[in-house]
Amino acid sequence: DAGITQSPRHKVTETGTPVTLRCHQTENHRYMYWYRQDPGHGLRLIHYSYGVKDTDKGEVSDGYSVSRSKTEDFLLTLESATSSQTSVYFCAISEPDTQAFFGQGTRLTVV
Amino acid sequence: QKEVEQDPGPLSVPEGAIVSLNCTYSNSAFQYFMWYRQYSRKGPELLMYTYSSGNKEDGRFTAQVDKSSKYISLFIRDSQPSDSATYLCAMSANGQNFVFGPGTRLSVLP
Repeated sequence: DAGITQSPRHKVTETGTPVTLRCHQTENHRYMYWYRQDPGHGLRLIHYSYGVKDTDKGEVSDGYSVSRSKTEDFLLTLESATSSQTSVYFCAISEPDTQAFFGQGTRLTVV
Repeated sequence: QKEVEQDPGPLSVPEGAIVSLNCTYSNSAFQYFMWYRQYSRKGPELLMYTYSSGNKEDGRFTAQVDKSSKYISLFIRDSQPSDSATYLCAMSANGQNFVFGPGTRLSVLP
């Protein structure tokens, strides 16, 4: 799994609560990404990071924030979870001009 | 129009068949092309990675890129039941910020 650990692997939370997902890598890759995967939509980019404290928005960033205070950790926060954010969330890492490696995913259910 | 389109499937083939999976795209700036395989409840794993146009072969897998037609393909020869998975194409203009197709679910029947 290319040294990527996502936590938690499963989470059920209530609407309106904040939720933080963690991605930890041991590969020292520069780029880190958060995607969500939904039926019929494939993988869609939420946010990405190109270095410590350097982040940018992806295609579906509304309602999400990220932080990267260390090379190895990339956090995704749902500020106030909604049912539309029920999804499977994948973290990925890459080096410039190379392929992305994915974690095993976090299955989030917002009730 | 989505930036990357992919035959949604599902696709069912008998064991030993040749499988062709295809994606089309609209962004002519894409230069990096990838195919991922994803088993149920697992993360995507990289199968093939190509840069620019041309063919690349790895065992039973062949990836083709035709940038003039904005079309990429993955061929699987002598398909096996263990190839049953969802196949995702992905592409990028700059080597980061990969854009994914929605995936094609493949079943290889023994």
